[in-house]
Amino acid sequence: NAGVMQNPRHLVRRRGQEARLRCSPMKGHSHVYWYRQLPEEGLKFMVYLQKENIIDESGMPKERFSAEFPKEGPSILRIQQVVRGDSAAYFCASSLLRIPHRDYGYTFGSGTRLTVV
Amino acid sequence: EDKVVQSPLSLVVHEGDTVTLNCSYEVTNFRSLLWYKQEKKAPTFLFMLTSSGIEKKSGRLSSILDKKELFSILNITATQTGDSAVYLCAVEAVGMNRDDKIIFGKGTRLHILP
Repeated sequence: NAGVMQNPRHLVRRRGQEARLRCSPMKGHSHVYWYRQLPEEGLKFMVYLQKENIIDESGMPKERFSAEFPKEGPSILRIQQVVRGDSAAYFCASSLLRIPHRDYGYTFGSGTRLTVV
Repeated sequence: EDKVVQSPLSLVVHEGDTVTLNCSYEVTNFRSLLWYKQEKKAPTFLFMLTSSGIEKKSGRLSSILDKKELFSILNITATQTGDSAVYLCAVEAVGMNRDDKIIFGKGTRLHILP
């Protein structure tokens, strides 16, 4: 079991370009969560998806950000027209159930570090 | 607004010392509290606490939750340089739409000097 796979690990974009971040959950996990981590900040919740459905997007900026989790393939976090303030580490986590498992919580990927130049 | 506050924000101690990391929270509809260790990669799960007063232990690490006073502590005894990391506290709460939400603190950056 390869765990939660995120790619790319590092992504550099110029202002105004689009960034697409991918997250393949652990095998059998249908719940995916995206978090953003800014320097010196904790992980901030962005969006929670369950196969083809957005369950909670209360942490997503209203503009330029979108997320999907299609029936086949990885979950995608898409940022259009990136700005310098979007530079951060974006982590994806997956779980088997809607609630974290008592023995291993949610399983996180290694993150994508987005740098906007 | 739901919030999780960790203290101290950073801590430097010598190898062999014992450290206590604090996490206090204010959330509506608390479900559980989780501790993660984050080095330069994915956060790794340490503990999940749901009941007050029951200590969870794993090697030199232990944690306990106080649901009355709304806080948790993470203890690390006989610290080693490999314990250097950011320790994240997160609280799981039931959201407005009965969806579970995880709120993270800013973390405690622990540095162990050899």
